[in-house]
Amino acid sequence: AQSVTQPDIHITVSEGASLELRCNYSYGATPYLFWYVQSPGQGLQLLLKYFSGDTLVQGIKGFEAEFKRSQSSFNLRKPSVHWSDAAEYFCAVGAGAAGNKLTFGGGTRVLVKP
Amino acid sequence: NAGVTQTPKFRVLKTGQSMTLLCAQDMNHEYMYWYRQDPGMGLRLIHYSVGEGTTAKGEVPDGYNVSRLKKQNFLLGLESAAPSQTSVYFCAGPDSNQPQHFGDGTRLSIL
Repeated sequence: AQSVTQPDIHITVSEGASLELRCNYSYGATPYLFWYVQSPGQGLQLLLKYFSGDTLVQGIKGFEAEFKRSQSSFNLRKPSVHWSDAAEYFCAVGAGAAGNKLTFGGGTRVLVKP
Repeated sequence: NAGVTQTPKFRVLKTGQSMTLLCAQDMNHEYMYWYRQDPGMGLRLIHYSVGEGTTAKGEVPDGYNVSRLKKQNFLLGLESAAPSQTSVYFCAGPDSNQPQHFGDGTRLSIL
């Protein structure tokens, strides 16, 4: 069975500092990987996705993620955090590009200090 | 969130009451999903549908029923609500960019 682990429940970062959120997955085949962001009281918005090809993927809002098959990881990064990046972030793995159910990690809540 | 609309947005129930959550999509997709979100547990799949008239169990189906009588609607029912079902419920369906495009959620409290 597939699973996703986000080891950090909470992360506090200063505005302007870099951010890295960890994600480890377990999946028997080639994974389709996603990062979603959820602002308080809102639904989930897709930040970026990895299906194949270049292992460094760029997303919206200045985020990027790197797929490392040998480490079963798909960590999310941002070089310089803005106060508006305070939110909860979810990593997810799925079986396909479209029309397939996802398995989510428990989420990492990011707090941004001024 | 254009494409997936959930109603209601908020609801408070008493233990034992029943209710139905409605999800409507205008993306003409076959697949639709119901998740619940609880603190520290991410989103967990309750039920899903791969087309009109078909439904399947997800990770946490107990206590819920679903129906997909029309392609654009996916209903989630609680026959006898329990406090453990207090949660935020999200419906999702694929769009051209992603496998799961989420609605805004329904916040359900069961007293």
